[in-house]
Amino acid sequence: EPEVTQTPSHQVTQMGQEVILRCVPISNHLYFYWYRQILGQKVEFLVSFYNNEISEKSEIFDDQFSVERPDGSNFTLKIRSTKLEDSAMYFCASIGGRLYYNEQFFGPGTRLTVL
Amino acid sequence: QKEVEQNSGPLSVPEGAIASLNCTYSDRGSQSFFWYRQYSGKSPELIMSIYSNGDKEDGRFTAQLNKASQYVSLLIRDSQPSDSATYLCAVTLHNTDKLIFGTGTRLQVFP
Repeated sequence: EPEVTQTPSHQVTQMGQEVILRCVPISNHLYFYWYRQILGQKVEFLVSFYNNEISEKSEIFDDQFSVERPDGSNFTLKIRSTKLEDSAMYFCASIGGRLYYNEQFFGPGTRLTVL
Repeated sequence: QKEVEQNSGPLSVPEGAIASLNCTYSDRGSQSFFWYRQYSGKSPELIMSIYSNGDKEDGRFTAQLNKASQYVSLLIRDSQPSDSATYLCAVTLHNTDKLIFGTGTRLQVFP
């Protein structure tokens, strides 16, 4: 069964450094999402992406964040200058099409630790 | 503030019993409702989706939706120790795909 994959599984970085988290959504899916989950807290929406542009973003997704689909398979989340509070699990998700009702499938996540 | 609320638990049930997990949401414009299971340190795994009032059954799982009461529940029949996890309720609002999650209910099934 097709799965969303994410790399790396764990990323450790110094405060102020740039990180790029990578996701390979399920093949032929069209809508892509990033969520994050700070340890012990709820899963929070960051951004949705369709047709090579952001369709919606949350207040968390400020100018330090960007997303890109550089080729036909990868979907990336970049954090330009990491802060301590960016430490969290970051999940990528995808859905197949813009049906009114649809189910998001999550990747295994990247644990980001900012020191 | 658009909220999804769940009792954090833990909810402890014996093996073989029915586990009942509840979720309320504040926005009447909520359109789609999902239950995810999350093991510690892992990603959310979709269990059930429900879109209209009533019950929806899938194996040992039954989702129940009552839009008038703004309430969605998940029943797990014949609970197994492997069902021990945190169960996340999530909703989407009208004209958006973003999932709004509750904090989750931790379920413990003891042998």
